Order: sequence, then C-alpha cells, then structure tokens
Amino acid sequence: AQTVTQSQPEMSVQEAETVTLSCTYDTSESDYYLFWYKQPPSRQMILVIRQEAYKQQNATENRFSVNFQKAAKSFSLKISDSQLGDAAMYFCAYRSGNAGNMLTFGGGTRLMVKP
Amino acid sequence: DAGVIQSPRHEVTEMGQEVTLRCKLISGHNSLFWYRQTMMRGLELLIYFNNNVPIDDSGMPEDRFSAKMPNASFSTLKIQPSEPRDSAVYFCASILTGAPTAFFGQGTRLTVV
Repeated sequence: AQTVTQSQPEMSVQEAETVTLSCTYDTSESDYYLFWYKQPPSRQMILVIRQEAYKQQNATENRFSVNFQKAAKSFSLKISDSQLGDAAMYFCAYRSGNAGNMLTFGGGTRLMVKP
Repeated sequence: DAGVIQSPRHEVTEMGQEVTLRCKLISGHNSLFWYRQTMMRGLELLIYFNNNVPIDDSGMPEDRFSAKMPNASFSTLKIQPSEPRDSAVYFCASILTGAPTAFFGQGTRLTVV
C-alpha cells in the first residue's frame, strides 16, 4: 500500500517570504499523481497543485511550485511571497494512475503566516 | 458548476440516534469517495464508489456505518446507532473516472453527544 509522510507538523513563515513544505511517499508504481491540498479554517479542501509522475517538469501555479524528485520519492511545495491568506493546513496526497484508486493523504502541515 | 454539495454542514445528535450525511456529485462525475477527518487519525478513506458500485469499503469502521449510491449523482453515509467516537468531519469527493483530480465538498461536522 502507498504511504504519504509529511514530517513537519507545523511551519511558520514571515509575510512576503518563501516557505517549503516537505512530503515523501512510498510506492512501487511508475504511473501516479501527486497533489497538494489546502484546508483553511473554513475546512474546505482546495486543490493547490497537481503533478503527474510522467512529467519531468515541476508544476507551478502562480506563487506555488513543487520540487518533484521521482527517484527520491519526494514532493515538496514551495510558496513564494507568502500571504496571510496562505495560512492553513496543507495536505500532500498520492493517487495511482490506474483507474479506480483512492487518494492517500499525508498527516498534514499547519502553516502559520506572520504579519 | 455547483461543485460537490454536502448536507448538512453541521449535525449535532445524541448517542444512539441515526445520522444520515448526504453528498451530491459534480455533474458528469462517476466516482465518489467518503473520507473522515479527525485530529487523531487525519483523513481516512471510508468507502469508494465507481459508477454507483462500492469498490473498496475496507475503511468503513463497523457495521454501524453504511453507504449507498442510489443514483449516479447522489450518495448517503448512514451511522446507526451513532456513538461519541464518531464525532468528526466527514467529506465526500467526486472524480470523473480517468481524470486525476478529486474535488471535495465542504464537509459535514458531526458531533455526537
């Protein structure tokens, strides 16, 4: 079974600075997807960014980018120019590329943004 | 598109009562997950449906829990009888089969007293 590990229970960053959240995963598959979801206090799970394992290029979405290291099974999220609205729980998730497989989540990292 | 819609947003019930949580999928999506989120255990998959058929229910904690998809766009998660340890936030998420991304509802916060 796949496992996802987020080793940082909490992180803090100064507004406008950059922060990196870590995620590692364990799988024997070659075709899969990785995700970062944001959960603000409203508890809505919001997709931040997605990475396909077959793509070598790291995904970016505005201020959010990932560092995908397939061999190391590492998938970190970098948030640039942090804003107060970025404060939330962030979850890393894995999904097999085979149809019909569920999302496996890490334990989450709580990000605090200091003004 | 209205997104995944869950109801109710909050539910407070007494131990022993039956609780039914509801989820409406995004139009055109045909796979559904139910997750439970607690501080202690994080996000746990309860059950997964594809085309109305339960594919994996190994996460359903006990016989007190049951889930159905009576049609392609709607699902229910029922707890009978409810217990205080069932208190959690319950999410459903829908996916278009073959597409990678799951879209979540806003969750139902269940409190059993």
